Amino acid sequence: DTAVSQTPKYLVTQMGNDKSIKCEQNLGHDTMYWYKQDSKKFLKIMFSYNNKELIINETVPNRFSPKSPDKAHLNLHINSLELGDSAVYFCASSQDRGGAPYNEQFFGPGTRLTVL
Amino acid sequence: RKEVEQDPGPFNVPEGATVAFNCTYSNSASQSFFWYRQDCRKEPKLLMSVYSSGNEDGRFTAQLNRASQYISLLIRDSKLSDSATYLCAVMEAGGFKTIFGAGTRLFVKA
Repeated sequence: DTAVSQTPKYLVTQMGNDKSIKCEQNLGHDTMYWYKQDSKKFLKIMFSYNNKELIINETVPNRFSPKSPDKAHLNLHINSLELGDSAVYFCASSQDRGGAPYNEQFFGPGTRLTVL
Repeated sequence: RKEVEQDPGPFNVPEGATVAFNCTYSNSASQSFFWYRQDCRKEPKLLMSVYSSGNEDGRFTAQLNRASQYISLLIRDSKLSDSATYLCAVMEAGGFKTIFGAGTRLFVKA
């Protein structure tokens, strides 16, 4: 059973288009995240959600809009795609203790986005 | 200064060698520390958490020095299968933000 799944795995699109990436976790975790890993392999947090509420927004352009319909899902919609958005996007989740995440994060397999 | 810094390497070592990676962090209020392993074109996976007292898991030993704000990872008796990128991760107070280092690339050769 896949713990954290993402779709699609690959996404190739033209500049200016709008696209969405979906993420689901079946671990029963309370906190979910989106990360961006660029061509230099630097993994940078974008958003943290806890029980469907946005906790962290790391100065991401508002073209990026996450949505959490329930605790198990965190989707990422990107408007007006730009060349610089090309990267691998990872979803992750972690368990809470005392209302805050602790210990490890479990990552999805990643979505490789290429903007032409 | 970057929030979490690692030597990017690459480290090229023969099988059986011992290799050590260091990582420094800037936020003294950071609460938890981890090493993740990332294989080529795969997602990061937890290798081990890092505790103040130091901890060992088989051939891997992690250390934390809060006073100097660095963590380390020691790999003994390197195997070909240890070839990967090792990411240092620092969780800030509150738990909702984890900063990853840029990763250290390790190549173990026969």
